[in-house]
Amino acid sequence: EDQVTQSPEALRLQEGESSSLNCSYTVSGLRGLFWYRQDPGKGPEFLFTLYSAGEEKEKERLKATLTKKESFLHITAPKPEDSATYLCAVRGSSNTGKLIFGQGTTLQVKP
Amino acid sequence: ETGVTQTPRHLVMGMTNKKSLKCEQHLGHNAMYWYKQSAKKPLELMFVYNFKEQTENNSVPSRFSPECPNSSHLFLHLHTLQPEDSALYLCASSQDGENGEGNTIYFGEGSWLTVV
Repeated sequence: EDQVTQSPEALRLQEGESSSLNCSYTVSGLRGLFWYRQDPGKGPEFLFTLYSAGEEKEKERLKATLTKKESFLHITAPKPEDSATYLCAVRGSSNTGKLIFGQGTTLQVKP
Repeated sequence: ETGVTQTPRHLVMGMTNKKSLKCEQHLGHNAMYWYKQSAKKPLELMFVYNFKEQTENNSVPSRFSPECPNSSHLFLHLHTLQPEDSALYLCASSQDGENGEGNTIYFGEGSWLTVV
């Protein structure tokens, strides 16, 4: 069964304090690993898609990396506006219509 | 204008009411989805429509009834709901390949449902 586990559940950082969020997954035939950002009361906003181990993608202060078992979302010198819940999801070959989501990591960046 | 639009944004309904959630996507996609998001739980897939045909019903109770009249519109009809059905209901869309390979799913802002 495809599964996604995110850690930590919550993370508090000072502005400028870099850190990483983890997404561990088990999936039959990875067809994509997705990162989303979700602000309170809003729908998830797409950030990145990674398809194969070794792939990396960057957007402003965020960088996503992928191995065969996990993905990291690195946040460099975060700002208070980076505060949100970050969701990781995978799509496998056995259920190409589905995204299996983790429970998310809630990030709070204090000024 | 966002790519996926949901209405209403907030809905309060009694357990005997009948209401509907509406979703419209402006991205030209061929697949649409309903997801449920409850507090402290991961997003749960409810229904998938590809080319207007329902391809997934993730063991959802019959009190939730989806309708997809065309590839741009998706409804979720609600009747005799329970208080535990209170959640954020998210509509999403994607452009999927003919062989079922999936691409990025884009979400709407969601409809907050409270059942009293």
